[in-house]
Amino acid sequence: NAGVTQTPKFQVLKTGQSMTLQCAQDMNHEYMSWYRQDPGMGLRLIHYSVGAGITDQGEVPNGYNVSRSTTEDFPLRLLSAAPSQTSVYFCASSSLDSFNQPQHFGDGTRLSIL
Amino acid sequence: AQSVTQLDSQVPVFEEAPVELRCNYSSSVSVYLFWYVQYPNQGLQLLLKYLSGSTLVESINGFEAEFNKSQTSFHLRKPSVHISDTAEYFCAVRLNTGNQFYFGTGTSLTVIP
Repeated sequence: NAGVTQTPKFQVLKTGQSMTLQCAQDMNHEYMSWYRQDPGMGLRLIHYSVGAGITDQGEVPNGYNVSRSTTEDFPLRLLSAAPSQTSVYFCASSSLDSFNQPQHFGDGTRLSIL
Repeated sequence: AQSVTQLDSQVPVFEEAPVELRCNYSSSVSVYLFWYVQYPNQGLQLLLKYLSGSTLVESINGFEAEFNKSQTSFHLRKPSVHISDTAEYFCAVRLNTGNQFYFGTGTSLTVIP
């Protein structure tokens, strides 16, 4: 009963490096999303997807790319890391059977950019 | 436009005292309402949700929330808190017309022994 799995849990990068944050869910949810959490700012939506092949921008998409080739996976890519991207990143998924379904969250990836 | 406001960023309370965490929202359409809890170094977990019907909803660990449509509020309450309730609490809404969730900025509850 894994739910939403995020890897890695921790990562330190140098400015300018690239990396991919992985997210996988085993609940056959159509909706998946990425948030970043910063002190005093709550959760801010980066990108989201309503199904394989369909992605859209959220509130703070700059500097991030996503793709959705399968229902299960929704990776988040940082092409050229910047210190402003130091944050905790959460992936979440939800069913679209009804709009009354809650989101299920992963445990987060703590990312530091030096 | 939709928004969720959590009026208190930090709430300290003594153990066994009651607590209320406030949440107000604005929306031009009907919404579904959720409270999530985040324990230190963990992800968000669903605490309770209001979908329809009775305006008072309860969780398994003693929290309850009341939906007030006229005041567009969904405040979270607990009559007697425990040390283990120390966590960050997020209010969230989902519109009945779209896919996105809208989150408040969170309230940090600290229970003092």
